[in-house]
Amino acid sequence: DTAVSQTPKYLVTQMGNDKSIKCEQNLGHDTMYWYKQDSKKFLKIMFSYNNKELIINETVPNRFSPKSPDKAHLNLHINSLELGDSAVYFCASSQNRPHESGELFFGEGSRLTVL
Amino acid sequence: SQQGEEDPQALSIQEGENATMNCSYKTSINNLQWYRQNSGRGLVHLILIRSNEREKHSGRLRVTLDTSKKSSSLLITASRAADTASYFCATDQGAQKLVFGQGTRLTINP
Repeated sequence: DTAVSQTPKYLVTQMGNDKSIKCEQNLGHDTMYWYKQDSKKFLKIMFSYNNKELIINETVPNRFSPKSPDKAHLNLHINSLELGDSAVYFCASSQNRPHESGELFFGEGSRLTVL
Repeated sequence: SQQGEEDPQALSIQEGENATMNCSYKTSINNLQWYRQNSGRGLVHLILIRSNEREKHSGRLRVTLDTSKKSSSLLITASRAADTASYFCATDQGAQKLVFGQGTRLTINP
C-alpha cells in the first residue's frame, strides 16, 4: 500500500491553463505539505496544513491554492500557469510532536511541464 | 537564506569506500534530518538527530551534529552501487517547518 500517493505523475500543459494535483496519505498523519523542487534539485516548502488548517504559506503566488477537504487529503490547484511553474511538486505528510517536526513521508512527485 | 548548504555538491567514489557529506545551517534548530532521493523518485527519510544529540547510527549510516558550529555530517560506510542517489539535510527551524538544503549528488562506481 502506498503511504503518500499523488496524481498525476506527469502533467504537460500550455501557459495560461489551470491544473490540479491531488494527494492522499493513509498514514493517519495530522500534517501535510506541498514542496516544489526546481531543476537544480532545490526543494522549497510551499504550504503545510495541520488537521485541515493552513499553517504555512511561504509567500507563494496566490495563483496557487491548496485545499484540504480532510486531514488525509491535500490538493494543489494552480491557475494561469506560467513557464516558471515547471518543476516537480512533492506532497508529504508527517506526525509532528508539539514544537518539533517529525520525519516526512514523501509521495513520488508530480512533474509539471508548462509549454 | 535560511536553507542549509550541503558540501560537496557532487561526490564520486569507488564501491566499498566511505562517503562523507556535510551540511551547514544558520539558525537554531530543534532537529536535523537526512533524506535520500533516488533519480525520479520521492525523498526517503534516513535519520533524525535532535539538537541535544551529538551522534547517531543507523546501519551503515553515521550522523554527527555540532550545534556550536551549526553543522552536521553524514557518513555512509562500505558504500554500494545502490547508495547512488542525492542526499539532503533538512533543519527543523520551528513552526513545524523543515528547510532543505540543495543536496549532495553521490555516485558509487562499481
